[in-house]
Amino acid sequence: NAGVTQTPKFRVLKTGQSMTLLCAQDMNHEYMYWYRQDPGMGLRLIHYSVGEGTTAKGEVPDGYNVSRLKKQNFLLGLESAAPSQTSVYFCASSHGVEAFFGQGTRLTVV
Amino acid sequence: AQSVTQLGSHVSVSEGALVLLRCNYSSSVPPYLFWYVQYPNQGLQLLLKYTTGATLVKGINGFEAEFKKSETSFHLTKPSAHMSDAAEYFCAVSNGQAGTALIFGKGTTLSVSS
Repeated sequence: NAGVTQTPKFRVLKTGQSMTLLCAQDMNHEYMYWYRQDPGMGLRLIHYSVGEGTTAKGEVPDGYNVSRLKKQNFLLGLESAAPSQTSVYFCASSHGVEAFFGQGTRLTVV
Repeated sequence: AQSVTQLGSHVSVSEGALVLLRCNYSSSVPPYLFWYVQYPNQGLQLLLKYTTGATLVKGINGFEAEFKKSETSFHLTKPSAHMSDAAEYFCAVSNGQAGTALIFGKGTTLSVSS
């Protein structure tokens, strides 16, 4: 049972490049979330999904897009990366109130 | 709206000493409260949670927390620190509705010295 798996684990992007972060969960959870973690800021919610085909904005959605075409996958896209998007990105899933987290993706934009 | 304040971004203790990490919350509805731990370069792991019922909650690795409604607090304690407890700790709040995203505090880094 893998739980929540994030791909890739590390990535370096140049300013203006695009990329997609993949989150996959094998727990049949209905709800999925993307957070970013920055030093001294804790975790802030970027986007979330309450079911297949649905997405909604969180606290810091600007510069990101998401898709949930399949229940088990939640994709986070950066269309034109900026240095301010350098961060550690965490995906989480839940079926109730407790969230289960992936190992994170460390993204650096230069 | 809900929010979490963690008092002290960095706490240092000696091995064997009491660990106390402070968390205060704001919520207009009865809160569900969580403590997560993050070891270096890893994801978040749930330590313990309060939903309803007993206000003293025991978690993994000897940690416990007490929900005090009158003080809007959910402080995390451990009687005796181990070197392996060095990590970052996050307090989080939810309104208890399934699917509602957790709102996190800014975290407290715990250092343990020998």
